[in-house]
Amino acid sequence: GAVVSQHPSWVICKSGTSVKIECRSLDFQATTMFWYRQFPKQSLMLMATSNEGSKATYEQGVEKDKFLINHASLTLSTLTVTSAHPEDSSFYICSARTTSGKGPEQYFGPGTRLTVT
Amino acid sequence: EDQVTQSPEALRLQEGESSSLNCSYTVSGLRGLFWYRQDPGKGPEFLFTLYSAGEEKEKERLKATLTKKESFLHITAPKPEDSATYLCAVQGTDSSYKLIFGSGTRLLVRP
Repeated sequence: GAVVSQHPSWVICKSGTSVKIECRSLDFQATTMFWYRQFPKQSLMLMATSNEGSKATYEQGVEKDKFLINHASLTLSTLTVTSAHPEDSSFYICSARTTSGKGPEQYFGPGTRLTVT
Repeated sequence: EDQVTQSPEALRLQEGESSSLNCSYTVSGLRGLFWYRQDPGKGPEFLFTLYSAGEEKEKERLKATLTKKESFLHITAPKPEDSATYLCAVQGTDSSYKLIFGSGTRLLVRP
């Protein structure tokens, strides 16, 4: 149980284009999903918190117009990187919070490797 | 400000050589402390949640403990397949449920 998927697992795009990454909770409903980015040999940095049916809450320093987050259903959140540039190249990971267990655990997706050329 | 510090940054062990990883934290109110394992190029894999000082949890060769200021992840008789980065995170009692991660400990277990 508590499986989270991401699609695509990797993507290469040209500078100036937009890329959409999907995060799905496969066997549970997730009222809250989180988006992180991770640079090589560094830890996870929270970008935003996404609640189903409401606007995402972005962390300080994260451009909300660049990283568009939509949480349209209890099992799906999407991150769109708009007008991507090489500095946006990173490993993007989502997590979903389940309240079905005893505590507020978060389960992570496998990540999406974005390379902007 | 909530903060998590992990040490050591990297650890090399021989197979069978037990050791401990440290996670020191400061948080205004602790809802939970989480340990995750992350393999290269993959998302973190959930290991444990600890809620209060004195709590301990075990899973195979791993045992996590918690005090009011820090948590330890003890690895007993590690095997090469235990090689990974181990991440510690705290969750405060505010309503956001967000996790604050430490920088991780990269563990390498040599046969």
